[in-house]
Amino acid sequence: QKEVEQDPGPLSVPEGAIVSLNCTYSNSAFQYFMWYRQYSRKGPELLMYTYSSGNKEDGRFTAQVDKSSKYISLFIRDSQPSDSATYLCAMIGQGAQKLVFGQGTRLTINP
Amino acid sequence: SQTIHQWPATLVQPVGSPLSLECTVEGTSNPNLYWYRQAAGRGLQLLFYSVGIGQISSEVPQNLSASRPQDRQFILSSKKLLLSDSGFYLCAWGRGSRYTDTQYFGPGTRLTVL
Repeated sequence: QKEVEQDPGPLSVPEGAIVSLNCTYSNSAFQYFMWYRQYSRKGPELLMYTYSSGNKEDGRFTAQVDKSSKYISLFIRDSQPSDSATYLCAMIGQGAQKLVFGQGTRLTINP
Repeated sequence: SQTIHQWPATLVQPVGSPLSLECTVEGTSNPNLYWYRQAAGRGLQLLFYSVGIGQISSEVPQNLSASRPQDRQFILSSKKLLLSDSGFYLCAWGRGSRYTDTQYFGPGTRLTVL
Protein backbone atom coordinates (compact mmCIF):
# COMPACT_ATOMS: atom_id res chain seq x y z
CA GLN A 1 0.00 0.00 0.00
CA LYS A 2 1.31 3.41 -0.95
CA GLU A 3 1.77 5.97 1.81
CA VAL A 4 -0.28 8.49 -0.16
CA GLU A 5 -3.10 7.60 -2.53
CA GLN A 6 -4.43 10.04 -5.10
CA ASP A 7 -6.83 9.27 -7.92
CA PRO A 8 -4.92 10.07 -11.13
CA GLY A 9 -8.09 10.94 -13.04
CA PRO A 10 -8.36 12.39 -15.58
CA LEU A 11 -11.08 14.65 -14.24
CA SER A 12 -13.02 16.85 -16.65
CA VAL A 13 -15.56 19.44 -15.47
CA PRO A 14 -17.34 22.45 -17.03
CA GLU A 15 -16.18 25.97 -16.36
CA GLY A 16 -17.66 27.42 -13.19
CA ALA A 17 -18.03 24.07 -11.43
CA ILE A 18 -16.71 23.34 -7.97
CA VAL A 19 -13.84 20.88 -8.14
CA SER A 20 -12.88 18.54 -5.33
CA LEU A 21 -9.49 16.84 -5.35
CA ASN A 22 -8.56 14.35 -2.67
CA CYS A 23 -5.74 12.33 -1.16
CA THR A 24 -5.69 9.71 1.53
CA TYR A 25 -2.65 8.71 3.52
CA SER A 26 -1.64 5.97 5.92
CA ASN A 27 1.17 7.51 7.98
CA SER A 28 -0.21 9.24 11.07
CA ALA A 29 3.13 11.06 11.51
CA PHE A 30 2.35 13.42 8.62
CA GLN A 31 1.65 16.90 9.96
CA TYR A 32 2.27 19.28 7.06
CA PHE A 33 0.20 19.08 3.92
CA MET A 34 0.67 20.76 0.55
CA TRP A 35 -0.98 21.04 -2.81
CA TYR A 36 1.04 21.72 -5.93
CA ARG A 37 -0.22 22.71 -9.34
CA GLN A 38 1.74 21.58 -12.37
CA TYR A 39 1.04 22.88 -15.84
CA SER A 40 2.10 20.78 -18.79
CA ARG A 41 5.88 20.76 -19.27
CA LYS A 42 6.45 23.00 -16.25
CA GLY A 43 7.73 22.47 -12.73
CA PRO A 44 5.19 22.10 -9.89
CA GLU A 45 4.27 25.32 -8.09
CA LEU A 46 3.16 25.45 -4.49
CA LEU A 47 -0.52 26.26 -4.27
CA MET A 48 -1.52 25.63 -0.67
CA TYR A 49 0.34 24.74 2.53
CA THR A 50 -1.45 23.71 5.70
CA TYR A 51 -0.50 22.41 9.09
CA SER A 52 -2.62 19.94 11.02
CA SER A 53 -6.39 19.68 10.72
CA GLY A 54 -8.80 22.31 9.52
CA ASN A 55 -9.44 24.52 6.53
CA LYS A 56 -7.34 27.14 4.79
CA GLU A 57 -8.72 29.43 2.15
CA ASP A 58 -6.87 31.42 -0.51
CA GLY A 59 -9.07 33.08 -3.08
CA ARG A 60 -10.94 30.40 -5.01
CA PHE A 61 -8.93 27.62 -3.37
CA THR A 62 -9.66 25.88 -0.07
CA ALA A 63 -7.46 23.20 1.45
CA GLN A 64 -9.00 20.91 4.00
CA VAL A 65 -7.23 18.44 6.29
CA ASP A 66 -8.94 15.74 8.35
CA LYS A 67 -6.22 14.00 10.32
CA SER A 68 -8.65 11.68 12.08
CA SER A 69 -9.65 10.23 8.71
CA LYS A 70 -6.19 10.69 7.14
CA TYR A 71 -7.80 12.58 4.29
CA ILE A 72 -6.99 15.88 2.62
CA SER A 73 -8.90 17.81 -0.01
CA LEU A 74 -8.47 20.76 -2.30
CA PHE A 75 -11.58 22.61 -3.44
CA ILE A 76 -11.59 24.98 -6.40
CA ARG A 77 -14.59 27.29 -6.66
CA ASP A 78 -15.71 28.95 -9.88
CA SER A 79 -13.24 26.83 -11.83
CA GLN A 80 -11.59 28.43 -14.87
CA PRO A 81 -9.96 26.92 -17.97
CA SER A 82 -6.67 28.28 -16.59
CA ASP A 83 -7.06 25.84 -13.68
CA SER A 84 -6.51 22.95 -16.09
CA ALA A 85 -3.37 21.26 -14.78
CA THR A 86 -2.16 18.30 -12.76
CA TYR A 87 -2.62 18.72 -9.01
CA LEU A 88 -0.26 16.92 -6.68
CA CYS A 89 -0.77 16.48 -2.96
CA ALA A 90 2.29 16.17 -0.73
CA MET A 91 2.90 15.71 2.95
CA ILE A 92 5.70 15.45 5.48
CA GLY A 93 6.19 14.57 9.12
CA GLN A 94 7.76 16.75 11.78
CA GLY A 95 11.55 16.75 11.43
CA ALA A 96 11.52 14.81 8.16
CA GLN A 97 13.43 15.96 5.09
CA LYS A 98 11.51 14.28 2.32
CA LEU A 99 8.05 15.05 1.02
CA VAL A 100 5.78 12.16 0.11
CA PHE A 101 3.76 12.89 -3.01
CA GLY A 102 0.56 11.56 -4.42
CA GLN A 103 0.54 10.48 -8.04
CA GLY A 104 -1.25 13.64 -9.15
CA THR A 105 -4.73 14.24 -10.57
CA ARG A 106 -5.02 15.57 -14.09
CA LEU A 107 -7.79 18.18 -14.24
CA THR A 108 -9.38 19.75 -17.31
CA ILE A 109 -11.84 22.65 -17.09
CA ASN A 110 -13.94 22.86 -20.24
CA PRO A 111 -15.10 26.32 -21.43
CA SER B 1 13.25 36.46 -2.94
CA GLN B 2 14.47 32.99 -3.78
CA THR B 3 14.96 31.75 -7.31
CA ILE B 4 15.86 28.32 -8.60
CA HIS B 5 17.43 27.76 -12.01
CA GLN B 6 17.88 24.62 -14.05
CA TRP B 7 19.65 24.08 -17.32
CA PRO B 8 19.44 23.03 -19.94
CA ALA B 9 15.68 23.21 -20.41
CA THR B 10 15.65 20.48 -23.04
CA LEU B 11 18.20 17.85 -23.93
CA VAL B 12 18.32 15.05 -26.48
CA GLN B 13 21.15 12.59 -25.96
CA PRO B 14 22.15 9.27 -27.53
CA VAL B 15 22.27 6.09 -25.47
CA GLY B 16 25.66 5.66 -23.85
CA SER B 17 26.50 9.36 -23.74
CA PRO B 18 27.28 11.23 -20.50
CA LEU B 19 24.91 13.60 -18.76
CA SER B 20 25.28 16.68 -16.61
CA LEU B 21 22.29 18.67 -15.39
CA GLU B 22 22.80 21.71 -13.21
CA CYS B 23 20.62 23.40 -10.62
CA THR B 24 21.38 26.58 -8.72
CA VAL B 25 19.42 28.43 -6.07
CA GLU B 26 19.59 32.15 -5.33
CA GLY B 27 18.44 34.15 -2.35
CA THR B 28 18.89 31.59 0.39
CA SER B 29 21.69 29.81 2.21
CA ASN B 30 22.15 26.24 3.44
CA PRO B 31 19.14 24.92 1.56
CA ASN B 32 18.18 21.30 1.29
CA LEU B 33 18.38 20.33 -2.37
CA TYR B 34 16.52 17.59 -4.21
CA TRP B 35 16.54 15.87 -7.61
CA TYR B 36 13.32 14.27 -8.84
CA ARG B 37 12.41 12.48 -12.04
CA GLN B 38 8.93 12.47 -13.51
CA ALA B 39 8.15 9.98 -16.24
CA ALA B 40 5.34 10.81 -18.68
CA GLY B 41 1.99 10.66 -16.88
CA ARG B 42 3.63 9.49 -13.68
CA GLY B 43 4.27 10.94 -10.26
CA LEU B 44 7.46 12.36 -8.83
CA GLN B 45 10.30 9.97 -8.02
CA LEU B 46 12.90 11.30 -5.58
CA LEU B 47 16.38 10.47 -6.85
CA PHE B 48 18.78 12.30 -4.53
CA TYR B 49 18.71 14.84 -1.76
CA SER B 50 21.37 16.85 0.01
CA VAL B 51 21.35 18.62 3.35
CA GLY B 52 24.79 20.22 2.87
CA ILE B 53 27.88 20.50 0.70
CA GLY B 54 29.22 17.07 -0.16
CA GLN B 55 26.32 15.33 1.61
CA ILE B 56 24.27 13.28 -0.84
CA SER B 57 21.61 10.69 -0.08
CA SER B 58 20.55 8.34 -2.85
CA GLU B 59 16.99 7.12 -2.91
CA VAL B 60 16.99 4.81 -5.90
CA PRO B 61 19.95 2.67 -7.06
CA GLN B 62 20.43 3.47 -10.72
CA ASN B 63 22.58 4.84 -13.44
CA LEU B 64 22.72 8.36 -12.02
CA SER B 65 24.81 10.23 -9.45
CA ALA B 66 24.59 13.64 -7.81
CA SER B 67 27.06 16.10 -6.42
CA ARG B 68 26.88 19.33 -4.47
CA PRO B 69 30.14 21.21 -5.03
CA GLN B 70 28.81 24.49 -3.61
CA ASP B 71 26.14 25.43 -1.09
CA ARG B 72 23.55 26.40 -3.70
CA GLN B 73 24.59 24.18 -6.60
CA PHE B 74 23.36 20.68 -7.26
CA ILE B 75 24.46 18.57 -10.21
CA LEU B 76 22.95 15.39 -11.60
CA SER B 77 25.25 13.20 -13.70
CA SER B 78 25.51 9.97 -15.58
CA LYS B 79 28.50 8.35 -17.25
CA LYS B 80 26.38 6.38 -19.73
CA LEU B 81 22.75 7.15 -20.40
CA LEU B 82 20.14 4.44 -20.83
CA LEU B 83 16.85 4.69 -22.71
CA SER B 84 15.08 4.41 -19.36
CA ASP B 85 16.74 7.65 -18.18
CA SER B 86 14.39 9.66 -20.37
CA GLY B 87 12.06 11.89 -18.38
CA PHE B 88 11.46 15.27 -16.83
CA TYR B 89 14.10 16.11 -14.23
CA LEU B 90 13.17 18.53 -11.50
CA CYS B 91 15.36 20.21 -8.94
CA ALA B 92 13.82 21.53 -5.74
CA TRP B 93 14.99 23.34 -2.64
CA GLY B 94 13.76 23.47 0.95
CA ARG B 95 14.73 25.78 3.78
CA GLY B 96 17.02 23.29 5.48
CA SER B 97 17.33 20.77 8.24
CA ARG B 98 16.06 23.08 10.99
CA TYR B 99 12.71 23.35 9.27
CA THR B 100 10.01 20.87 8.41
CA ASP B 101 8.92 22.67 5.37
CA THR B 102 7.74 22.54 1.85
CA GLN B 103 9.84 22.45 -1.29
CA TYR B 104 10.04 24.79 -4.24
CA PHE B 105 10.65 23.44 -7.69
CA GLY B 106 12.66 24.64 -10.64
CA PRO B 107 11.41 24.75 -14.22
CA GLY B 108 12.76 21.29 -15.04
CA THR B 109 14.88 19.69 -17.75
CA ARG B 110 13.23 17.46 -20.30
CA LEU B 111 15.66 14.68 -21.26
CA THR B 112 15.12 12.40 -24.20
CA VAL B 113 17.53 9.51 -24.66
CA LEU B 114 17.49 8.03 -28.17
